[in-house]
Amino acid sequence: NAGVTQTPKFQVLKTGQSMTLQCAQDMNHEYMSWYRQDPGMGLRLIHYSVGAGITDQGEVPNGYNVSRSTTEDFPLRLLSAAPSQTSVYFCASTLGDSGQDSPLHFGNGTRLTVT
Amino acid sequence: DQQVKQNSPSLSVQEGRISILNCDYTNSMFDYFLWYKKYPAEGPTFLISISSIKDKNEDGRFTVFLNKSAKHLSLHIVPSQPGDSAVYFCAASQIYNQGGKLIFGQGTELSVKP
Repeated sequence: NAGVTQTPKFQVLKTGQSMTLQCAQDMNHEYMSWYRQDPGMGLRLIHYSVGAGITDQGEVPNGYNVSRSTTEDFPLRLLSAAPSQTSVYFCASTLGDSGQDSPLHFGNGTRLTVT
Repeated sequence: DQQVKQNSPSLSVQEGRISILNCDYTNSMFDYFLWYKKYPAEGPTFLISISSIKDKNEDGRFTVFLNKSAKHLSLHIVPSQPGDSAVYFCAASQIYNQGGKLIFGQGTELSVKP
């Protein structure tokens, strides 16, 4: 199992550009989520999904879109990049509310710089 | 409004001694707490968890203590090893795991010196 795979690892964008951060998991996890990590702020939830076709907003959803067409993939779209979106982005997945102890599994992150 | 707070940005400990990392929360509805460990250029990895029906959970060198009345939890690492040097995040949720919808603290960077 590869676990949670994020691409790209690094990205530089100019203000106003759009892009999609890719996330895929091969653990058949129902739940997937996107977090951003900023200095002094910890990890903050952007969007999450409890299954294919179902998404919801987290703490900091503005400027980001998500969709979940398959169980495996959960891409994060930046519609019009802003310098405030410079951050490290982590995708995570978990089995879900199955009664089993299933903590979040994280990818290795995408470091995004918006100039 | 930071619902989960780690007030110590950094902690330095000698190898072999105890490391104590602290975490406070404000939302009394939280009933599941976790600690994650993060190395540079990697994603966080799960370390240990505790539900609100317990006050202690132990896994090898790692023990998490929960004081619900004080809304405080702590992670004890005994004995500390240089490989434990990393950033530690505490996290909380209202429902068991809540499908990965966790609220994280700011993190504490632990440095264990040989």
